[in-house]
Amino acid sequence: DVKVTQSSRYLVKRTGEKVFLECVQDMDHENMFWYRQDPGLGLRLIYFSYDVKMKEKGDIPEGYSVSREKKERFSLILESASTNQTSMYLCASRSRDRGRANEKLFFGSGTQLSVL
Amino acid sequence: GQSLEQPSEVTAVEGAIVQINCTYQTSGFYGLSWYQQHDGGAPTFLSYNALDGLEETGRFSSFLSRSDSYGYLLLQELQMKDSASYFCAAPLYGGATNKLIFGTGTLLAVQP
Repeated sequence: DVKVTQSSRYLVKRTGEKVFLECVQDMDHENMFWYRQDPGLGLRLIYFSYDVKMKEKGDIPEGYSVSREKKERFSLILESASTNQTSMYLCASRSRDRGRANEKLFFGSGTQLSVL
Repeated sequence: GQSLEQPSEVTAVEGAIVQINCTYQTSGFYGLSWYQQHDGGAPTFLSYNALDGLEETGRFSSFLSRSDSYGYLLLQELQMKDSASYFCAAPLYGGATNKLIFGTGTLLAVQP
């Protein structure tokens, strides 16, 4: 089975802490994504990466950074966590190839982050 | 701006048929996907429509009308396990990159 693995299911951090969320995929996908999910707001794209060391801002990048040193791993970094970053964070990956067969996005199980 | 609009909640009874609508406003539209997410779980892919018309996969069907900027997910013979959130999504391509934007989601409650 294809798999996207997020390092933590639940995480509790304090305001001002630096937080690392890790994501690993085993499908050799070029594209990886970080979303946050909040009630009533759906999934909002934070950052995405289309290749090693390549990254692009999504719709809500403020307060976040990312790292993609290896193809299979995409990390989300909260430089100084704030309470408004309490959320469910979802990592996903997909093939770079276009076309119907490659439109499927594979998600990890999510990390519920609470910033106190 | 780019957005996908869905109703926030839909309620139906077991065995019935329900339709979840999605209207979109995007630049460079390529197609419409649907994802299912059970409470506490990860979103999972259901379908993708690149062309106008109806695509059927078992009890689930998805429809797209590009001229109306509109699509829907049709669930037939509803079961309790279909209670979940459903998201429409659209890919946006640009050069070497592509990303997926999501609607706000529709919470489907199936009642006995």
